[in-house]
Amino acid sequence: AQSVTQPDIHITVSEGASLELRCNYSYGATPYLFWYVQSPGQGLQLLLKYFSGDTLVQGIKGFEAEFKRSQSSFNLRKPSVHWSDAAEYFCAVAPYNFNKFYFGSGTKLNVKP
Amino acid sequence: NAGVTQTPKFRVLKTGQSMTLLCAQDMNHEYMYWYRQDPGMGLRLIHYSVGEGTTAKGEVPDGYNVSRLKKQNFLLGLESAAPSQTSVYFCASSDPGQGKETQYFGPGTRLLVL
Repeated sequence: AQSVTQPDIHITVSEGASLELRCNYSYGATPYLFWYVQSPGQGLQLLLKYFSGDTLVQGIKGFEAEFKRSQSSFNLRKPSVHWSDAAEYFCAVAPYNFNKFYFGSGTKLNVKP
Repeated sequence: NAGVTQTPKFRVLKTGQSMTLLCAQDMNHEYMYWYRQDPGMGLRLIHYSVGEGTTAKGEVPDGYNVSRLKKQNFLLGLESAAPSQTSVYFCASSDPGQGKETQYFGPGTRLLVL
């Protein structure tokens, strides 16, 4: 069965510090992987996606993620967090035809001044 | 270009009442999706549609019905609302056939069932 696990419910980092949000997936075929961000009261916005090729993908707002097939992981990183990055982050996996998306439970990021 | 819009933004229902949530997109996308978001559970797919006139069940379809009579609209119906359906509902659209796998989300509808 397909599933996405985000082990960290809440994370607090200081502004300017580096960030890594974890995502592990379980999927029988080649996964298509996504990271979304949700600001309070808003819908979801795509940060980045991985389909194939280079396992390190760059996204918007200075985020990047690395696909590690051996670890079934797709962790999101940012070298220096800004206060405006405070939001909830969701990892998702989809099959090749994109008819269904499976989301993790989310990680809420708090940024300390 | 409004993207994905949802109507209404907020609604309070009594148990047993019915209602329809409307999702509209102006991007000519083929695929549309309805999700519900509950605390600690992320987004769960209720129903989806891969084209006009077609619908399919997602992870949590029970208690909901959908229709896609027009390409730009995707309706989610609750025939007899239950408190367990209190949630935030998100609609999304995408168009994988055009290389546009990115899902575009609406702003959400908050539903409270008393």
